Amino acid sequence: NAGVTQTPKFQVLKTGQSMTLQCAQDMNHNSMYWYRQDPGMGLRLIYYSASEGTTDKGEVPNGYNVSRLNKREFSLRLESAAPSQTSVYFCASSEEPGGRGFFGQGTRLTVV
Amino acid sequence: AQSVTQLDSQVPVFEEAPVELRCNYSSSVSVYLFWYVQYPNQGLQLLLKYLSGSTLVESINGFEAEFNKSQTSFHLRKPSVHISDTAEYFCAVSAGSARQLTFGSGTQLTVLP
Repeated sequence: NAGVTQTPKFQVLKTGQSMTLQCAQDMNHNSMYWYRQDPGMGLRLIYYSASEGTTDKGEVPNGYNVSRLNKREFSLRLESAAPSQTSVYFCASSEEPGGRGFFGQGTRLTVV
Repeated sequence: AQSVTQLDSQVPVFEEAPVELRCNYSSSVSVYLFWYVQYPNQGLQLLLKYLSGSTLVESINGFEAEFNKSQTSFHLRKPSVHISDTAEYFCAVSAGSARQLTFGSGTQLTVLP
């Protein structure tokens, strides 16, 4: 089973460039999440989607947008990348909101 | 709003010694509590969870955690650690109707030979 798949695994962007991080899950989960992980700060929630057709802001949404394309896919877009967005990004899904999360392998993003 | 505090950022311990990783949470409503483990360059894996029922929960690899409502704690313990337990451990809580999963800042457990 693939579980949660994130692409790409690594990315380097120049300041001001845009990109979309892709996430897909094959577990028929209702809820999906995007987190960023920075040293000493744990994982901080960027956006989440409790169910297909809904999205909500998390703790650190500024500079990001999301799309819940269908039940399987939840993408994260950086419209104009900034060095402060250098981080490791994790997508996760859960059967119910706040339930056990299944995580992807992460995307390491560097903005120069 | 909910929050999670992991009191120790780094815990070094010798192999076969016991270990406790501390986690405190704040929430005014009922909670789900989780411990996740992250090995280098990997995603997070669930170690154990408390949803309801028995306050003592166990994982398959010898870790256990006890939900203490009065002290709002969910500390993780293992009586005898192995080198392979070296990893970063995250405590997480979800609470309220929105059920967002909030993480602590993590504890790096390093098991020394």
